[in-house]
Amino acid sequence: SQTIHQWPATLVQPVGSPLSLECTVEGTSNPNLYWYRQAAGRGLQLLFYSVGIGQISSEVPQNLSASRPQDRQFILSSKKLLLSDSGFYLCALIPTNTEAFFGQGTRLTVV
Amino acid sequence: AQSVTQLGSHVSVSEGALVLLRCNYSSSVPPYLFWYVQYPNQGLQLLLKYTTGATLVKGINGFEAEFKKSETSFHLTKPSAHMSDAAEYFCAVTKGGGSYIPTFGRGTSLIVHP
Repeated sequence: SQTIHQWPATLVQPVGSPLSLECTVEGTSNPNLYWYRQAAGRGLQLLFYSVGIGQISSEVPQNLSASRPQDRQFILSSKKLLLSDSGFYLCALIPTNTEAFFGQGTRLTVV
Repeated sequence: AQSVTQLGSHVSVSEGALVLLRCNYSSSVPPYLFWYVQYPNQGLQLLLKYTTGATLVKGINGFEAEFKKSETSFHLTKPSAHMSDAAEYFCAVTKGGGSYIPTFGRGTSLIVHP
């Protein structure tokens, strides 16, 4: 069965510092991968999704970027964090026509 | 376009009482519908899903939901709440037949009082 690994679980970073969050998947190949951000009371905001290596679609303009360097690796990055980047970041694997599988999330606090 | 509305950002029940979390959707084609649960600082887990067939679907932890096309609803219920049910619940919709990007509701926080 497929599993999703996300790390780190928590992260405290100063404003202006870079960010790199990693998501890796096991048990499947050529997965559709997603990055979501969750702010309190605001549900899930889709940030990026990728259907294959090097293929990234951005859903909202922002201070973040994503990359898919390997089939089962999806990375969320920022060159300079803003306070507004704080939140709970979730990586998800969503096969076609079935439910989503989520990682355990990363709690990012920008100070 | 598809959308999901979850009525009530917070629902409070007593332990042993009926749980009812509301979800209405809009979709231009027959939808696939999902309920997920999220415990604090964790990812979302699937509770149940409707794709085709029987409109009453049963999920884990005693939850069930009924797809009502005429009402465009997919409400989540559980006959008797347990303290461990306290969590955030999300309804989601995708379009059956190839579109795999789900639309999530804003979530409903279920509070269970002893």
